[in-house]
Amino acid sequence: NAGVTQTPKFQVLKTGQSMTLQCAQDMNHEYMSWYRQDPGMGLRLIHYSVGAGITDQGEVPNGYNVSRSTTEDFPLRLLSAAPSQTSVYFCASSYSPGYNEQFFGPGTRLTVL
Amino acid sequence: GQQVMQIPQYQHVQEGEDFTTYCNSSTTLSNIQWYKQRPGGHPVFLIQLVKSGEVKKQKRLTFQFGEAKKNSSLHITATQTTDVGTYFCFIRIQGAQKLVFGQGTRLTINP
Repeated sequence: NAGVTQTPKFQVLKTGQSMTLQCAQDMNHEYMSWYRQDPGMGLRLIHYSVGAGITDQGEVPNGYNVSRSTTEDFPLRLLSAAPSQTSVYFCASSYSPGYNEQFFGPGTRLTVL
Repeated sequence: GQQVMQIPQYQHVQEGEDFTTYCNSSTTLSNIQWYKQRPGGHPVFLIQLVKSGEVKKQKRLTFQFGEAKKNSSLHITATQTTDVGTYFCFIRIQGAQKLVFGQGTRLTINP
């Protein structure tokens, strides 16, 4: 099992550009989520999904879109990148977060110039 | 508003000293999880506490859940350089579909 995979590992964007961060899991987890991590801010939930076709907003959803067409994949789209979106992004999956452990991907380090 | 407060934010110790981080919530928790993130790495699950007053041990790590299920602690006895990292609590607030990470405690160790 590969667990949770994320691509790319690093990305540099210019302000206004768009891109998609990829996330995939092979553990058949229904729940998947995206977090961003900034110094001193911990991990903040961007969007999450409780199953294919179902997504919802987390604490900091503005500027991001998600979709969940399959159980395995949960891409995160930045619509028009801003310097405030410079961060480390983690994808996670779980059977039931809070009741079961979350498995995290290795992260994507994004810089927006 | 702030759902969980984790303290301290930073802790620097000499190798061999003990370390403790605390998570405090203003509301009753269903359970609490602890994660560790090594520098440059991703969070990794350590343990889950469910019962009021529960105490669990993993080698030199001791985890406690308060009697009122509003606070928890992680204690490391005789720290080693492999303990370096940031420790996060993760909570699911009872009766609500709200999942929150604490701000984390970053542990550094002087060998």
